Amino acid sequence: AQSVTQPDIHITVSEGASLELRCNYSYGATPYLFWYVQSPGQGLQLLLKYFSGDTLVQGIKGFEAEFKRSQSSFNLRKPSVHWSDAAEYFCAVVTHTGNQFYFGTGTSLTVIP
Amino acid sequence: DSGVTQTPKHLITATGQRVTLRCSPRSGDLSVYWYQQSLDQGLQFLIQYYNGEERAKGNILERFSAQQFPDLHSELNLSSLELGDSALYFCASSDSGAVDEQFFGPGTRLTVL
Repeated sequence: AQSVTQPDIHITVSEGASLELRCNYSYGATPYLFWYVQSPGQGLQLLLKYFSGDTLVQGIKGFEAEFKRSQSSFNLRKPSVHWSDAAEYFCAVVTHTGNQFYFGTGTSLTVIP
Repeated sequence: DSGVTQTPKHLITATGQRVTLRCSPRSGDLSVYWYQQSLDQGLQFLIQYYNGEERAKGNILERFSAQQFPDLHSELNLSSLELGDSALYFCASSDSGAVDEQFFGPGTRLTVL
């Protein structure tokens, strides 16, 4: 069965520092990959997605993610974090054979001044 | 604002009761997805409808049912409610039945007492 692992439940970074959120998936082929962000009391907003092609994808708000097939990973990065980036981040995969999204358990990001 | 609306925003009810959650997708979107978000289960896909027809089914209990109407709005019916059904229920929409970005509504917070 497909699964998504976000090993870090909570991360704290200083404003201006770089950020990397980890995501690993389990699937026999390359799935479609997504990163979503959820601010408190809000729904989820898409940051970026990977379907095929260039393994480094750019998203909104200065985020990027790199797909590494050999590591079954799709880590999210940002070079300089802003206080407004504090939120919950979810990695999700969708297989080519279905429309079902499998979400990771999320990583909560705290940004300190 | 994603363009997806959900009503009500909050719902408090008692065990054994039945409730209906409503979702209006973005204009032009044919697919509607329902998710349950709880602290212990994370974000779980429940069901997808595409243009009125059920397209994919996830971890949806038999006590739960959904439908999509000709005007494309959707309703999620939860019956014989239990304490464990307390959660945030999200609706998302996309413009096709294929895999693509989903736009999430703000959610309905259900509390079962």
